Parts: sequence; C-alpha cells; structure tokens
Amino acid sequence: NAGVTQTPKFRVLKTGQSMTLLCAQDMNHEYMYWYRQDPGMGLRLIHYSVGEGTTAKGEVPDGYNVSRLKKQNFLLGLESAAPSQTSVYFCASSLDRERARDNEQFFGPGTRLTVL
Amino acid sequence: GQSLEQPSEVTAVEGAIVQINCTYQTSGFYGLSWYQQHDGGAPTFLSYNALDGLEETGRFSSFLSRSDSYGYLLLQELQMKDSASYFCAVRTLNQAGTALIFGKGTTLSVSS
Repeated sequence: NAGVTQTPKFRVLKTGQSMTLLCAQDMNHEYMYWYRQDPGMGLRLIHYSVGEGTTAKGEVPDGYNVSRLKKQNFLLGLESAAPSQTSVYFCASSLDRERARDNEQFFGPGTRLTVL
Repeated sequence: GQSLEQPSEVTAVEGAIVQINCTYQTSGFYGLSWYQQHDGGAPTFLSYNALDGLEETGRFSSFLSRSDSYGYLLLQELQMKDSASYFCAVRTLNQAGTALIFGKGTTLSVSS
C-alpha cells in the first residue's frame, strides 16, 4: 500500500514551458487535492476533485488546470510556466465527507518545481 | 473572505507544555483540523474537532470553541522530535464539496 505518490519529485522549467504533475493514490479515496506551499504562506488549495470526472477551483487556481479521468489519478498541468509558480506542490486525498468524520487528508511527498 | 491566524513561531524546552492558538474567520464551518509537517516533508494529520470541547490523542490535545471561532493544539511532555511546523486548517464548504483552508503555520522549536 503506497498511499499517495507524486511524480516527479523535482523539476526545473524555463518560463513558458509546460508540464504535468501526476498524483496517484491506492486507497480508493473519492476526494483528491492539489496544494502549493511557499515559504511563510502555508498550504494553499489550487484545485480539487470530489470524484472521477469532477474538478473544482480552490483558492489559487489561475495558471493551472487539472483532470481526474481515473479515480486513482489526479493530474495538475501548467500550460505556460511562470517564475511565480516556483513552489512545492503537494497532492492529497481523502474519503468523502459522509464516510470520514474527520476528513483526514493523506499527503504525498511533494514535487519541488523551479521555474527560471 | 476566509482567514486563519496562528503564531509564526513558538519555542519551548523538552518536557514542557506548549499551546498553539488558532483563530479563524470563515463561512460554512464544519470543523478545525491540525497537521504536523517536519522540514521538507509531507503534512500529517494530528486531530480534528467538529464540536466544542477537547479531543485528546496521547500527548496531543486539540480544543475548539465555535462561538469564539478559536481553537488550540496542546502538546505535552515535549520531545525534540516535536520540532516541526504545525498548521491549523478549517474544513469549509466549497462549490463542489468540503475543502481545507490552511493557516500559515507555526514553527515549533524544542530545545534540550
């Protein structure tokens, strides 16, 4: 049982390049989330999904797109990377609200992205 | 808008007790969570309060007062391994379901 995994672990991009971050979970969780973490800013929600085929915007969605074609995978795309998107990106998953009283979120190890 | 306030840093010595406060302003409040994050690592879940009162889990306890929009995390018998960042997070209703809004985190430094 791997939990939540993220690919890649590190990446350096040039301004204007595109890339996709992959998140996978093997816990059969309905909900999945993408966060970014910057120094002194805590975790900020980018997009999330409440089930296969669904996506919704979080606090800071601009410049990112997501897709949830399979229940176990949640992809985060940057179409045209900017230096302001340099950050650590965390993926998380959880059971749905009815089955998880505490809505515990399980986090992946993170992707460290630098945009030059 | 939604906001959470928690102290940026707290220091303590081994064996001591420390309390990390969190005040929040949000709509559609469902509960308050606490997460721990060691340097560079993934955040891990510590506790969740949906109702007023104290929840205890080993050395850690969490408290919530919904009427005061306030909660705290209490860490007892501090150990060096407790040095980490601690985040409070409000569970709130968003357009598609519930989501967590995190505070900026409190860095706890435990010294011997």
